[in-house]
Amino acid sequence: EVQLVQSGAEVKKPGESLKISCKGSGYSFTSYWIGWVRQMPGKGLEWMGIIYPGDSDTRYSPSFQGQVTISADKSISTAYLQWSSLKASDTAMYYCAKYGGGGRYYFDYWGQGTLVTVSS
Amino acid sequence: DIVMTQSPDSLAVSLGERATINCKSSQSVLYSSNNKNYLAWYQQKPGQPPKLLIYWASTRESGVPDRFSGSGSGTDFTLTISSLQAEDVAVYYCQQYYSTRSLTFGGGTKVEIK
Repeated sequence: EVQLVQSGAEVKKPGESLKISCKGSGYSFTSYWIGWVRQMPGKGLEWMGIIYPGDSDTRYSPSFQGQVTISADKSISTAYLQWSSLKASDTAMYYCAKYGGGGRYYFDYWGQGTLVTVSS
Repeated sequence: DIVMTQSPDSLAVSLGERATINCKSSQSVLYSSNNKNYLAWYQQKPGQPPKLLIYWASTRESGVPDRFSGSGSGTDFTLTISSLQAEDVAVYYCQQYYSTRSLTFGGGTKVEIK
């Protein structure tokens, strides 16, 4: 069974750093792109970027380029999303999700989400 | 970026009636070499992550009830729930995956029971 299990909710202050995780299981982690999606409170879905864990090829949405860093550790089947200096506007639910593979760039499996709250 | 525009923002439908959601892309998401529309639909229930319903504009994901159907081509697409059930209350999103540099979602359509 394919599973993506994300790290728990975080409460941080503006200016702090943060790294959240997404552990994949039940499939070949290195063979499928994993993406990150932001959902701000009461709002829609925003595609942030993707990583191919096999070779760490990474692509970012122009809206998020330079604002976050996506990485992966294939030895432990885990993808990461990190911030060096959080802002209140980063408060959101963040989902990781796996692409279908073979040119199927839709998300067929999703993590449960990690709620990030940034408040002074 | 390809902009995805959904309509309506919300709709209320009686149980057993048809619900229709529209999605329009700012440019065609039909890939001419394979004649496939790079368009997916997701369902998000309150407090849950999104769930894939439809891909290639009209192919149902395994396990999705056949009351859900997708249609359209090029720039205009429709998600239809043929007979609304209580468990279908959710927000529905379309997503284009034609432009792999920047995939984009529609703004979402909230479906409620009338």
